[in-house]
Amino acid sequence: AAGVIQSPRHLIKEKRETATLKCYPIPRHDTVYWYQQGPGQDPQFLISFYEKMQSDKGSIPDRFSAQQFSDYHSELNMSSLELGDSALYFCASSGFQDLGAGTTPHEQYFGPGTRLTVT
Amino acid sequence: GQQLNQSPQSMFIQEGEDVSMNCTSSSIFNTWLWYKQEPGEGPVLLIALYKAGELTSNGRLTAQFGITRKDSFLNISASIPSDVGIYFCAGHPNAGNNRKLIWGLGTSLAVNP
Repeated sequence: AAGVIQSPRHLIKEKRETATLKCYPIPRHDTVYWYQQGPGQDPQFLISFYEKMQSDKGSIPDRFSAQQFSDYHSELNMSSLELGDSALYFCASSGFQDLGAGTTPHEQYFGPGTRLTVT
Repeated sequence: GQQLNQSPQSMFIQEGEDVSMNCTSSSIFNTWLWYKQEPGEGPVLLIALYKAGELTSNGRLTAQFGITRKDSFLNISASIPSDVGIYFCAGHPNAGNNRKLIWGLGTSLAVNP
């Protein structure tokens, strides 16, 4: 089955540079979530989009922005990068309630992540 | 923000042993999810629970949705080395259509062959 795709898988940037992370959700999923995970931490929710509109906002810095496009893929834009932004960034997607498959919109399926290193 | 209480924080067991971990909340949840994460990888959904008292299995894994709707348990039977990883519980509070999950801090499992 198709999974969430994230690109790039690894990214190295210098302080004050910008970075763009991309996420392609599972086909027919309408919601995308972005998480940041530091070493030894649980995933920290950043922001989510439902049907191309921002649906919830977590601990996303003002230097970051995100959007979901008409094809449901999402991009996380990060500017003025700081050393503390080094982390794993995950995208997850969820979809409609599928009684046949036994899934609900609350089940989030994660991508493989992008490891961002800021030097 | 709100966080689930997950315990134990870490476990080191012998291959073949059974494992139990749990997650509690101060408020009612209507969905409980259990994920496993291996180093450098994204969390993988193991089991999803939707009804109080529900008991669901996935191979050697069994999870239960607590009757009070404020807790959930995950058991792993006959552990093997590939069970190593961090197990996270996550839940959805019983409020509105917001899909944001609340997470536990994880249980790190190490298995000695």
